[in-house]
Amino acid sequence: AQSVTQLDSQVPVFEEAPVELRCNYSSSVSVYLFWYVQYPNQGLQLLLKYLSGSTLVKGINGFEAEFNKSQTSFHLRKPSVHISDTAEYFCAVRLISGGYQKVTFGTGTKLQVIP
Amino acid sequence: SQTIHQWPATLVQPVGSPLSLECTVEGTSNPNLYWYRQAAGRGLQLLFYSVGIGQISSEVPQNLSASRPQDRQFILSSKKLLLSDSGFYLCAWRRGGTEAFFGQGTRLTVV
Repeated sequence: AQSVTQLDSQVPVFEEAPVELRCNYSSSVSVYLFWYVQYPNQGLQLLLKYLSGSTLVKGINGFEAEFNKSQTSFHLRKPSVHISDTAEYFCAVRLISGGYQKVTFGTGTKLQVIP
Repeated sequence: SQTIHQWPATLVQPVGSPLSLECTVEGTSNPNLYWYRQAAGRGLQLLFYSVGIGQISSEVPQNLSASRPQDRQFILSSKKLLLSDSGFYLCAWRRGGTEAFFGQGTRLTVV
């Protein structure tokens, strides 16, 4: 079974500063990796995903993430955050295999951008 | 294009009352459907998933049940709500692709 760890439950950062949200996973087989964003009282929106190929993945709103297989990590980064980036961010994994496979989510990281 | 509708957006129910949350998907057929719960201060917990009409799998034992009476309809129910059932409930669908698509969620408060 796979698992996802987001060590930081809350990350405060000043506006226009860079940010990195950490995600580590464990799995005995290859996985797809995702980052979702949840704005207050809303559903989840896909930010970006890693399926294969280049380990640096660019998503919406200026976010990017880098897949590091040796460290089993998929950290999310943005070089300069905006107030509107204040939200909760979830890392998720899904096994690469045929048939049904559920998506496993981390516990989330709340990003608070401070003016 | 595909859309997912979830209602109501917010709900306040007394302890012991029944619950029915509905989720429908448009623009696709035979999707995998999911119910997640997000409790305060916790991550997303998968409650139920369905790969077809009448096929429900439960991930964790609890006070809730799910049904899929139609291909694109997924219902979350309870006969008697508990205080611990409070949370943010999210419906999602996936078909053939890699990522899941989520509804806007239902904020349930049991009082």
